[in-house]
Amino acid sequence: EIVMTQSLDTLSVSPGERATLSCRASQSISSNLVWYQQKPGQAPRLLIYGASTRATGIPARFSGSGSGTEFTLTITSLQSEDFAVYYCQHHHAWPLTFGGGTKVEI
Amino acid sequence: QVYLVESGGGVVQPGGSLRLSCAASGFTFSSFGMHWVRQAPGKGLEWLAYVRYDGRRTQYADSVKGRFTISRDSSKNTLFLQMSSLRPDDTAVYYCVKEYRDNVEFFDYWGQGTLVTVSS
Repeated sequence: EIVMTQSLDTLSVSPGERATLSCRASQSISSNLVWYQQKPGQAPRLLIYGASTRATGIPARFSGSGSGTEFTLTITSLQSEDFAVYYCQHHHAWPLTFGGGTKVEI
Repeated sequence: QVYLVESGGGVVQPGGSLRLSCAASGFTFSSFGMHWVRQAPGKGLEWLAYVRYDGRRTQYADSVKGRFTISRDSSKNTLFLQMSSLRPDDTAVYYCVKEYRDNVEFFDYWGQGTLVTVSS
């Protein structure tokens, strides 16, 4: 099983600042990495796929990078609606696994 | 517009069974693989099970293998999760999710979830 590790449980930032979230895979997963955003009481929403491609309707302030085992989600100029929990997920092999999540809070 | 609507959640005793359903609309259900993902209260996301677009292939997480069965009825655009031998740690919100495309197993649409509580 590929273990996905999001090293930060919580990231405290201020509106307008940049947030950088990391995700590490226990073995190479090429670019088979996606990011989701989840707000309280809601289902997750797809943000980034292929490690760096924004999903439909996702603002340009969200960007993803990385390949292999190290991945980053960057949110530039945080807006109030961006405060949420962010999960990474690999789809390189079975079983699919998620990172533990990083909560972005004020 | 894609809709995934789960139903069938509720309170069940340990060792009991429950069947979840997910009604799909807004896309060609028979062309896409489907999954179940769950989230325990206050916890992260856990992938559980997958069924291929034609129903002929399934995959399971070790945590539910042998206890849960995923299936689909494409004539009714409905996904199922039959859960048995339920344990308290199966308590979670269960999401029905659609794969992005065949052999690309991430999720572009999620249902709103249905809560399963396993408790005596």
